[in-house]
Amino acid sequence: AQSVTQLGSHVSVSEGALVLLRCNYSSSVPPYLFWYVQYPNQGLQLLLKYTTGATLVKGINGFEAEFKKSETSFHLTKPSAHMSDAAEYFCAVSLPFGGFKTIFGAGTRLFVKA
Amino acid sequence: DTAVSQTPKYLVTQMGNDKSIKCEQNLGHDTMYWYKQDSKKFLKIMFSYNNKELIINETVPNRFSPKSPDKAHLNLHINSLELGDSAVYFCASSPQGSTVKMGSNYGYTFGSGTRLTVV
Repeated sequence: AQSVTQLGSHVSVSEGALVLLRCNYSSSVPPYLFWYVQYPNQGLQLLLKYTTGATLVKGINGFEAEFKKSETSFHLTKPSAHMSDAAEYFCAVSLPFGGFKTIFGAGTRLFVKA
Repeated sequence: DTAVSQTPKYLVTQMGNDKSIKCEQNLGHDTMYWYKQDSKKFLKIMFSYNNKELIINETVPNRFSPKSPDKAHLNLHINSLELGDSAVYFCASSPQGSTVKMGSNYGYTFGSGTRLTVV
């Protein structure tokens, strides 16, 4: 069975600083990997996804993530944080079959200081 | 136009009542899901339907019953509500096809959630 672990339930950065949110996964077969963002009182929005091909994927709002099979990681980065990036971020993994059930990590709350 | 819409947005009800949450998507997606998000933000899948067929049924009390009249709608009915059912329930959809077909996973489109409070 697949699983996903997000390191750090809270991350705080200054505006303009690098954002790094960590995600490690466990899967018996090559998984599909996702990052979602949730703003307060809203649903989740897909930031980016990795399925196959290029291991560095770019998403919306300047975010990107790199799939590293050897490290079973899919960390999310953004070069320069903006106040509007403050939200909850979820890493997720699914298998490419069996209903595409997606398992979500516990989430990381990103705080951005002025 | 809202892609995945849920109603109601807020639902406050007493223990023991029966309630329903409705979900509709206008994206033409084949698959719809219900997720439960608890107070610690943890998301757990409950059900999934593909073209009106139940394909994922996690360990959920049988007081919860999904119904999909067509592939654009997935409703959730909850009988005999309990305090522990209080949570935010999210509907989602995705364009995946058959459960046995390998293919691209485009990710989910989520609704804005229904906050259920049982008192």
